[in-house]
Amino acid sequence: DVKVTQSSRYLVKRTGEKVFLECVQDMDHENMFWYRQDPGLGLRLIYFSYDVKMKEKGDIPEGYSVSREKKERFSLILESASTNQTSMYLCASTPTGPYEQYFGPGTRLTVT
Amino acid sequence: AQSVSQHNHHVILSEAASLELGCNYSYGGTVNLFWYVQYPGQHLQLLLKYFSGDPLVKGIKGFEAEFIKSKFSFNLRKPSVQWSDTAEYFCAALIYNQGGKLIFGQGTELSVKP
Repeated sequence: DVKVTQSSRYLVKRTGEKVFLECVQDMDHENMFWYRQDPGLGLRLIYFSYDVKMKEKGDIPEGYSVSREKKERFSLILESASTNQTSMYLCASTPTGPYEQYFGPGTRLTVT
Repeated sequence: AQSVSQHNHHVILSEAASLELGCNYSYGGTVNLFWYVQYPGQHLQLLLKYFSGDPLVKGIKGFEAEFIKSKFSFNLRKPSVQWSDTAEYFCAALIYNQGGKLIFGQGTELSVKP
């Protein structure tokens, strides 16, 4: 079974803090994705990566950056957290080609 | 821009009622279509998918969906829901010229009363 893990299930941070969310997949997938999930808005793509050290902006990249130094790991960085970044963050991975994405359990981030 | 629309934000049904959740996408080319489900406190998981072939696809837990190309629709159905089907359901489209990006609908929250 594909496994996608995220470093924390729940996280509380203060405004202005730098926040790191980590995602690891164990199936050698080329593609990895970060989404945020908000009620009534579905999942919105923040960033994605097709390969190590490659990154592409999604639909809502403002206020976020990413890092992919190893194939299995994709990090989401909030340089200076703000209250409007309080959300559920989901990581996903997929092999190259028309395949479904496999999701991690999510990190519920609260910024106070 | 390509988009996926789910018609219902919140659906409330009694057990044994039939379910149909609407999903429409806006893209004229080749698409792969998915329904994902998120049970309370759990991962988003794949319910079913359509890539090609028979437009009526069957998924887990008795769910099915029908791809109607002329209507740009991929509606999810279940003949008789159970309390355990209470969850949020997401329709998604994989558009070929967008690499591996999925475009998600807004989600439909289903509440099934016992």
